[in-house]
Amino acid sequence: EAQVTQNPRYLITVTGKKLTVTCSQNMNHEYMSWYRQDPGLGLRQIYYSMNVEVTDKGDVPEGYKVSRKEKRNFPLILESPSPNQTSLYFCASSFWGARASGSFYTFGSGTRLTVV
Amino acid sequence: KQEVTQIPAALSVPEGENLVLNCSFTDSAIYNLQWFRQDPGKGLTSLLLIQSSQREQTSGRLNASLDKSSGRSTLYIAASQPGDSATYLCAVSDTGTASKLTFGTGTRLQVTL
Repeated sequence: EAQVTQNPRYLITVTGKKLTVTCSQNMNHEYMSWYRQDPGLGLRQIYYSMNVEVTDKGDVPEGYKVSRKEKRNFPLILESPSPNQTSLYFCASSFWGARASGSFYTFGSGTRLTVV
Repeated sequence: KQEVTQIPAALSVPEGENLVLNCSFTDSAIYNLQWFRQDPGKGLTSLLLIQSSQREQTSGRLNASLDKSSGRSTLYIAASQPGDSATYLCAVSDTGTASKLTFGTGTRLQVTL
């Protein structure tokens, strides 16, 4: 089954304790992206990657890091989480460039992160 | 900077009604527009994608239209069912950043028996 898999689904952590949210896709998509969803603000892009070893900042990158060492994986790293990073996080993937025409995004099921 | 607005924020209709959800965007230089459905505690499911050169797309009881020049899209749901209850999100991708999506804040739809 074509899918984007995020782990964990739920996470409660304390301020300052480094954490990683994993994201993996099995569709050979070039493009992967992380979004956070907050009430009243909608989904906002954190980071994206157009291919292996190619990453760039989205609209709200502060406090986050990413890496793209393999095509299928795109982990989101919070080096020192703070309470304002409490949010619902989504990973998404799609084809890029010419193949993106008519391509649908596939989203993961989300990770609900609480930082206390 | 692209901004996407969805009105209304919430909508409740009785089963069987036809309904329209609205989406507007500020920059008409879009690559495509997509409608998503989000169920509570779950991810997003892509419903329809309209390329900038297209006027509408249909899938089953869903029809999405796009008027790029006026910065508007509508999602029409025919013969609504309780299973249609969800939050509907509109998102646009801009030319130049074709895969980045800018989302609206959604319309929460409840279809009652």
